[in-house]
Amino acid sequence: AQKVTQTQTSISVVEKTTVTMDCVYETRDSSYFLFWYKQTASGEIVFLIRQDSYKKENATVGHYSLNFQKPKSSIGLIITATQIEDSAVYFCAMREDTGYQNFYFGKGTSLTVIP
Amino acid sequence: EAAVTQSPRNKVAVTGGKVTLSCNQTNNHNNMYWYRQDTGHGLRLIHYSYGAGSTEKGDIPDGYKASRPSQENFSLILELATPSQTSVYFCASGDRTGGNERLFFGHGTKLSVL
Repeated sequence: AQKVTQTQTSISVVEKTTVTMDCVYETRDSSYFLFWYKQTASGEIVFLIRQDSYKKENATVGHYSLNFQKPKSSIGLIITATQIEDSAVYFCAMREDTGYQNFYFGKGTSLTVIP
Repeated sequence: EAAVTQSPRNKVAVTGGKVTLSCNQTNNHNNMYWYRQDTGHGLRLIHYSYGAGSTEKGDIPDGYKASRPSQENFSLILELATPSQTSVYFCASGDRTGGNERLFFGHGTKLSVL
């Protein structure tokens, strides 16, 4: 079964608007960590932002923020004031605090920012 | 900033041949990972390592071996390459100390098995 699911295959938005990308995860662990990564057109994969399951406050880094809804096992990525350079594929990932602690990745959401 | 270097960047191999993908990290991270990326599947873990001398199987280890001879180097070995192993392979390193956990990825190796 897929541990991390991103249902949006692709999204297009107009520059300077806000976009939300969805991600739901599945775990029985009480402690886990959630991440978002960005893959640019060149193939480079970079870390964006992280949410620890025990933290109630949503993480924010620059114009990236998270909408963490623990009861729904949901971790949405919000990008405000989108820029052309935000066009990329965004991956959601989870690491459980037990077991062999693999990072489970979703299949990604392709974002296109239109001028 | 953490640096993870993969070589080669591109590789064409013949079916049945041996392929070695190399990864080097200069950040003294304990953990290293090999993922493959395929359309429709995202990133899937092949092998990982907790430190020099250790290798562990990930979710899709069949047909692959790994070697971690030192803290810095982690190799992925395809003893008998098959066309189904045509993919983009990513190496990553990470550490969980200091509450600053994240993965740092190499630029990927595009492997074509003909």
